[in-house]
Amino acid sequence: AQSVTQLGSHVSVSEGALVLLRCNYSSSVPPYLFWYVQYPNQGLQLLLKYTSAATLVKGINGFEAEFKKSETSFHLTKPSAHMSDAAEYFCAVSPSSNTGKLIFGQGTTLQVKP
Amino acid sequence: GAVVSQHPSWVICKSGTSVKIECRSLDFQATTMFWYRQFPKQSLMLMATSNEGSKATYEQGVEKDKFLINHASLTLSTLTVTSAHPEDSSFYICSAKRGARTDTQYFGPGTRLTVL
Repeated sequence: AQSVTQLGSHVSVSEGALVLLRCNYSSSVPPYLFWYVQYPNQGLQLLLKYTSAATLVKGINGFEAEFKKSETSFHLTKPSAHMSDAAEYFCAVSPSSNTGKLIFGQGTTLQVKP
Repeated sequence: GAVVSQHPSWVICKSGTSVKIECRSLDFQATTMFWYRQFPKQSLMLMATSNEGSKATYEQGVEKDKFLINHASLTLSTLTVTSAHPEDSSFYICSAKRGARTDTQYFGPGTRLTVL
């Protein structure tokens, strides 16, 4: 069975600082991995996804994530935080791209301080 | 493009009544829609997968007679919470896939249900 663990329910960084949101997964088959962002009162928006191509995945808004099989991780990073990055971030794993089922982590709230 | 809406955005109802939540794909046809439930400070939990023109597939532990799902058209899926009770109070989120070959889901903004 697949599962996702996001380390840290709340992360606070200063504007301009590095953003690192951690995600570890468990999967018995090669996984598809996703990062979604949720702004207040809005639906989840896809940031990026890993689908067994390049291990370093670049997404929107300057975010990227690296798939590390040996560490079963898919951490999300951004070199320089912006105030507009403050939101809830969800890591998700899909056991199969055909069914589209997503298993979500518990989410990480990113706070950006001026 | 790829906008998904939900209606209503919030609803309060009395215990024992039924509530219908709509999920619409506004600018694309969605062969598959998904319904999730999110409790405060918790993750999204998949409730069911809804395919247009066929019966929904429910996840283990989800009561299909309590959470009725209808996907009558390629742009609309509905979730009806029947005989709602306070423990059904939650945030319900839908998502839609644009076509069978894609793995990207587009999410609605969610519906907050409060059962008194």
